[in-house]
Amino acid sequence: NAGVTQTPKFQVLKTGQSMTLQCAQDMNHNSMYWYRQDPGMGLRLIYYSASEGTTDKGEVPNGYNVSRLNKREFSLRLESAAPSQTSVYFCASSEATGFSPLHFGNGTRLTVT
Amino acid sequence: GQQVMQIPQYQHVQEGEDFTTYCNSSTTLSNIQWYKQRPGGHPVFLIQLVKSGEVKKQKRLTFQFGEAKKNSSLHITATQTTDVGTYFCVRGNTGKLIFGQGTTLQVKP
Repeated sequence: NAGVTQTPKFQVLKTGQSMTLQCAQDMNHNSMYWYRQDPGMGLRLIYYSASEGTTDKGEVPNGYNVSRLNKREFSLRLESAAPSQTSVYFCASSEATGFSPLHFGNGTRLTVT
Repeated sequence: GQQVMQIPQYQHVQEGEDFTTYCNSSTTLSNIQWYKQRPGGHPVFLIQLVKSGEVKKQKRLTFQFGEAKKNSSLHITATQTTDVGTYFCVRGNTGKLIFGQGTTLQVKP
Protein backbone atom coordinates (compact mmCIF):
# COMPACT_ATOMS: atom_id res chain seq x y z
CA ASN A 1 0.00 0.00 0.00
CA ALA A 2 1.19 3.51 -0.82
CA GLY A 3 -0.53 5.11 2.21
CA VAL A 4 -0.85 8.87 1.67
CA THR A 5 0.52 10.24 -1.59
CA GLN A 6 1.11 13.94 -2.17
CA THR A 7 2.03 15.69 -5.39
CA PRO A 8 4.09 17.60 -6.27
CA LYS A 9 7.09 17.18 -3.96
CA PHE A 10 8.49 20.62 -4.74
CA GLN A 11 6.99 23.75 -6.30
CA VAL A 12 8.13 27.30 -6.90
CA LEU A 13 5.47 29.92 -7.62
CA LYS A 14 5.53 33.62 -8.29
CA THR A 15 3.34 35.91 -6.21
CA GLY A 16 -0.20 35.88 -7.56
CA GLN A 17 0.02 32.51 -9.29
CA SER A 18 -2.39 29.74 -8.41
CA MET A 19 -1.86 26.03 -7.90
CA THR A 20 -3.48 22.92 -6.46
CA LEU A 21 -1.76 20.45 -4.16
CA GLN A 22 -3.04 16.93 -4.59
CA CYS A 23 -3.44 14.27 -1.91
CA ALA A 24 -4.74 10.72 -2.12
CA GLN A 25 -4.96 7.91 0.43
CA ASP A 26 -5.57 4.22 -0.14
CA MET A 27 -6.38 3.19 3.44
CA ASN A 28 -10.16 3.79 3.18
CA HIS A 29 -9.90 6.50 5.84
CA ASN A 30 -12.85 8.76 6.48
CA SER A 31 -10.98 11.90 7.56
CA MET A 32 -8.34 13.92 5.76
CA TYR A 33 -6.33 16.99 6.74
CA TRP A 34 -4.04 19.66 5.38
CA TYR A 35 -1.29 21.10 7.62
CA ARG A 36 1.46 23.59 6.98
CA GLN A 37 4.79 23.54 8.80
CA ASP A 38 6.99 26.57 9.25
CA PRO A 39 10.26 26.68 11.22
CA GLY A 40 9.58 27.01 14.94
CA MET A 41 5.81 26.92 14.45
CA GLY A 42 5.05 23.23 14.55
CA LEU A 43 2.25 22.03 12.29
CA ARG A 44 -0.82 24.19 11.87
CA LEU A 45 -4.12 22.85 10.60
CA ILE A 46 -5.39 24.59 7.47
CA TYR A 47 -8.53 22.61 6.63
CA TYR A 48 -9.87 19.20 7.36
CA SER A 49 -12.57 16.91 6.06
CA ALA A 50 -14.24 14.71 8.66
CA SER A 51 -15.93 12.61 6.00
CA GLU A 52 -16.61 12.59 2.31
CA GLY A 53 -18.69 15.61 1.38
CA THR A 54 -17.71 17.78 4.35
CA THR A 55 -14.93 20.28 4.90
CA ASP A 56 -14.15 22.60 7.82
CA LYS A 57 -11.70 25.35 8.61
CA GLY A 58 -8.73 24.72 10.82
CA GLU A 59 -6.41 27.19 12.55
CA VAL A 60 -5.09 29.04 9.47
CA PRO A 61 -7.58 28.75 6.54
CA ASN A 62 -7.17 32.21 5.00
CA GLY A 63 -5.81 32.16 1.44
CA TYR A 64 -6.69 28.50 0.87
CA ASN A 65 -9.57 26.44 -0.45
CA VAL A 66 -10.08 22.69 -0.34
CA SER A 67 -12.07 20.04 -2.17
CA ARG A 68 -12.87 16.57 -0.92
CA LEU A 69 -13.24 15.07 -4.38
CA ASN A 70 -14.17 11.60 -3.12
CA LYS A 71 -13.24 9.43 -0.16
CA ARG A 72 -9.67 8.99 -1.42
CA GLU A 73 -8.75 12.50 -2.52
CA PHE A 74 -8.45 15.85 -0.77
CA SER A 75 -6.93 18.79 -2.64
CA LEU A 76 -5.65 22.15 -1.41
CA ARG A 77 -5.83 25.19 -3.67
CA LEU A 78 -3.95 28.46 -3.45
CA GLU A 79 -5.84 30.96 -5.63
CA SER A 80 -3.31 33.79 -5.45
CA ALA A 81 -0.06 32.72 -3.84
CA ALA A 82 1.75 35.05 -1.42
CA PRO A 83 5.29 34.83 0.00
CA SER A 84 3.73 34.18 3.44
CA GLN A 85 2.50 30.86 2.04
CA THR A 86 6.05 29.61 1.57
CA SER A 87 6.01 26.48 3.71
CA VAL A 88 6.03 22.71 3.79
CA TYR A 89 2.53 21.32 3.32
CA PHE A 90 1.52 17.96 4.72
CA CYS A 91 -1.59 15.99 3.94
CA ALA A 92 -2.77 13.41 6.46
CA SER A 93 -5.60 10.94 6.88
CA SER A 94 -7.18 9.06 9.77
CA GLU A 95 -9.94 6.53 10.27
CA ALA A 96 -12.05 9.00 12.24
CA THR A 97 -11.72 12.62 13.24
CA GLY A 98 -10.00 13.64 16.44
CA PHE A 99 -9.42 10.23 17.99
CA SER A 100 -7.48 8.20 15.45
CA PRO A 101 -3.78 8.34 14.54
CA LEU A 102 -2.80 10.53 11.63
CA HIS A 103 -0.98 9.03 8.66
CA PHE A 104 1.05 11.63 6.81
CA GLY A 105 2.24 12.04 3.25
CA ASN A 106 5.82 13.02 2.51
CA GLY A 107 5.01 16.71 2.13
CA THR A 108 5.18 19.39 -0.55
CA ARG A 109 7.84 22.07 -0.22
CA LEU A 110 6.37 25.28 -1.67
CA THR A 111 8.31 28.47 -2.27
CA VAL A 112 6.54 31.66 -3.32
CA THR A 113 8.81 34.40 -4.66
CA GLY B 1 -7.74 28.77 23.00
CA GLN B 2 -7.11 25.19 22.08
CA GLN B 3 -3.33 25.37 22.21
CA VAL B 4 -1.12 22.82 23.83
CA MET B 5 2.18 24.19 25.12
CA GLN B 6 5.28 22.06 24.86
CA ILE B 7 8.50 22.57 26.79
CA PRO B 8 11.35 22.74 26.25
CA GLN B 9 11.53 23.90 22.63
CA TYR B 10 15.04 22.46 22.20
CA GLN B 11 17.12 19.96 24.13
CA HIS B 12 20.70 18.87 23.57
CA VAL B 13 21.84 15.78 25.43
CA GLN B 14 24.85 13.51 25.49
CA GLU B 15 24.15 10.03 24.22
CA GLY B 16 23.09 7.89 27.17
CA GLU B 17 21.43 10.73 29.08
CA ASP B 18 17.70 10.80 29.70
CA PHE B 19 15.29 13.24 28.03
CA THR B 20 11.81 14.48 28.92
CA THR B 21 9.38 16.71 27.07
CA TYR B 22 6.22 18.10 28.62
CA CYS B 23 2.88 19.04 27.10
CA ASN B 24 0.46 21.31 28.99
CA SER B 25 -3.08 22.44 28.32
CA SER B 26 -5.28 24.95 30.14
CA THR B 27 -8.33 22.82 29.38
CA THR B 28 -9.09 19.15 29.93
CA LEU B 29 -7.97 16.95 27.06
CA SER B 30 -10.12 14.14 25.73
CA ASN B 31 -6.99 12.38 24.55
CA ILE B 32 -3.39 13.14 23.65
CA GLN B 33 -1.27 11.73 20.85
CA TRP B 34 2.50 11.80 20.44
CA TYR B 35 4.38 11.95 17.14
CA LYS B 36 8.04 11.93 16.12
CA GLN B 37 9.41 13.74 13.09
CA ARG B 38 12.91 12.97 11.89
CA PRO B 39 14.81 15.81 10.15
CA GLY B 40 13.48 16.16 6.60
CA GLY B 41 10.69 13.65 7.24
CA HIS B 42 7.04 13.64 8.12
CA PRO B 43 5.46 13.12 11.56
CA VAL B 44 5.02 9.49 12.56
CA PHE B 45 2.47 8.41 15.16
CA LEU B 46 3.94 6.98 18.37
CA ILE B 47 1.07 6.53 20.82
CA GLN B 48 -2.32 7.73 22.04
CA LEU B 49 -3.30 8.24 25.69
CA VAL B 50 -6.93 8.39 26.70
CA LYS B 51 -7.35 7.57 30.40
CA SER B 52 -6.55 9.78 33.38
CA GLY B 53 -3.18 8.80 34.89
CA GLU B 54 -2.41 6.44 32.02
CA VAL B 55 1.21 5.30 31.59
CA LYS B 56 2.39 3.47 28.48
CA LYS B 57 5.85 2.22 27.57
CA GLN B 58 7.51 1.52 24.24
CA LYS B 59 11.00 0.13 24.90
CA ARG B 60 12.96 3.17 26.20
CA LEU B 61 10.03 5.58 25.78
CA THR B 62 7.54 6.20 28.62
CA PHE B 63 4.38 8.23 28.02
CA GLN B 64 2.21 9.62 30.81
CA PHE B 65 -1.18 11.32 30.89
CA GLY B 66 -1.84 13.48 33.94
CA GLU B 67 -4.52 12.70 36.49
CA ALA B 68 -6.42 15.84 35.56
CA LYS B 69 -5.94 15.13 31.82
CA LYS B 70 -4.38 18.55 31.33
CA ASN B 71 -0.78 17.50 30.83
CA SER B 72 1.31 14.74 29.38
CA SER B 73 4.96 13.82 29.19
CA LEU B 74 7.32 11.72 27.08
CA HIS B 75 10.46 10.38 28.76
CA ILE B 76 13.30 8.68 26.89
CA THR B 77 15.74 6.64 28.94
CA ALA B 78 19.37 6.44 27.82
CA THR B 79 19.04 8.38 24.57
CA GLN B 80 20.60 7.11 21.36
CA THR B 81 21.50 8.98 18.18
CA THR B 82 18.47 7.37 16.55
CA ASP B 83 16.24 9.37 18.93
CA VAL B 84 17.15 12.63 17.16
CA GLY B 85 14.12 14.51 15.85
CA THR B 86 11.19 16.64 16.92
CA TYR B 87 8.57 15.24 19.25
CA PHE B 88 5.05 16.64 19.07
CA CYS B 89 2.10 16.23 21.36
CA VAL B 90 -1.26 16.56 19.63
CA ARG B 91 -4.53 17.28 21.35
CA GLY B 92 -7.44 15.29 20.06
CA ASN B 93 -10.78 16.97 19.77
CA THR B 94 -13.89 16.46 17.72
CA GLY B 95 -12.92 17.41 14.21
CA LYS B 96 -9.49 18.82 14.87
CA LEU B 97 -6.07 17.53 15.82
CA ILE B 98 -3.98 20.46 17.07
CA PHE B 99 -0.20 20.14 17.31
CA GLY B 100 2.00 21.54 20.02
CA GLN B 101 5.08 23.44 18.85
CA GLY B 102 7.30 20.43 19.41
CA THR B 103 10.53 19.68 21.25
CA THR B 104 13.59 19.20 19.07
CA LEU B 105 16.05 16.70 20.49
CA GLN B 106 19.72 16.67 19.52
CA VAL B 107 21.89 13.81 20.74
CA LYS B 108 25.69 14.11 20.83
CA PRO B 109 27.44 10.79 20.26
